[in-house]
Amino acid sequence: EDQVTQSPEALRLQEGESSSLNCSYTVSGLRGLFWYRQDPGKGPEFLFTLYSAGEEKEKERLKATLTKKESFLHITAPKPEDSATYLCAVQAGSSNTGKLIFGQGTTLQVKP
Amino acid sequence: NAGVMQNPRHLVRRRGQEARLRCSPMKGHSHVYWYRQLPEEGLKFMVYLQKENIIDESGMPKERFSAEFPKEGPSILRIQQVVRGDSAAYFCASSPPYLDRYGYTFGSGTRLTVV
Repeated sequence: EDQVTQSPEALRLQEGESSSLNCSYTVSGLRGLFWYRQDPGKGPEFLFTLYSAGEEKEKERLKATLTKKESFLHITAPKPEDSATYLCAVQAGSSNTGKLIFGQGTTLQVKP
Repeated sequence: NAGVMQNPRHLVRRRGQEARLRCSPMKGHSHVYWYRQLPEEGLKFMVYLQKENIIDESGMPKERFSAEFPKEGPSILRIQQVVRGDSAAYFCASSPPYLDRYGYTFGSGTRLTVV
């Protein structure tokens, strides 16, 4: 069964304290791995798509990496405005319909 | 260029009533997806539609739930005879004909409360 697991569930950081969020996946062939950010009361906002092991994407203080079994979202010198829930999702090779399987998310709180 | 528009933002229904959730995709997007987010749970796929076609409904509960995306007008997610367990945030997303490097665009969701 295709599955996505994110860890930790919650993470508290001081402003400027870098860290990483983990997304482990088990899928029958990976078509793409997606990272989203979700603020309270809002819909998920797209961050990155990764397609193959070794691929990396960067945006401001965020950097996403991908291996054959997991993805990391590295946050460098975070600011309070980075506080949000970060969601990882995969599109399995068996899915030709655009269906995404989401993890539970990591809720990040950055304190000033 | 408006994003994905969902309405209403909040919906309160009594047990046994019907709930209708609407979603207008982004301009140029022809594919619509519905997801449900239960409290303390992740987003769960419900259904994928194109105009006048249901492509994948593998995540839809077998009873009481239906979805449509007519030739004209928004996509509708309909829940008949709502129960308390239907209380959740329902998100609609849209994409072009292929799920490209930008993934879906999500709406802000409809928060359904069943009392």
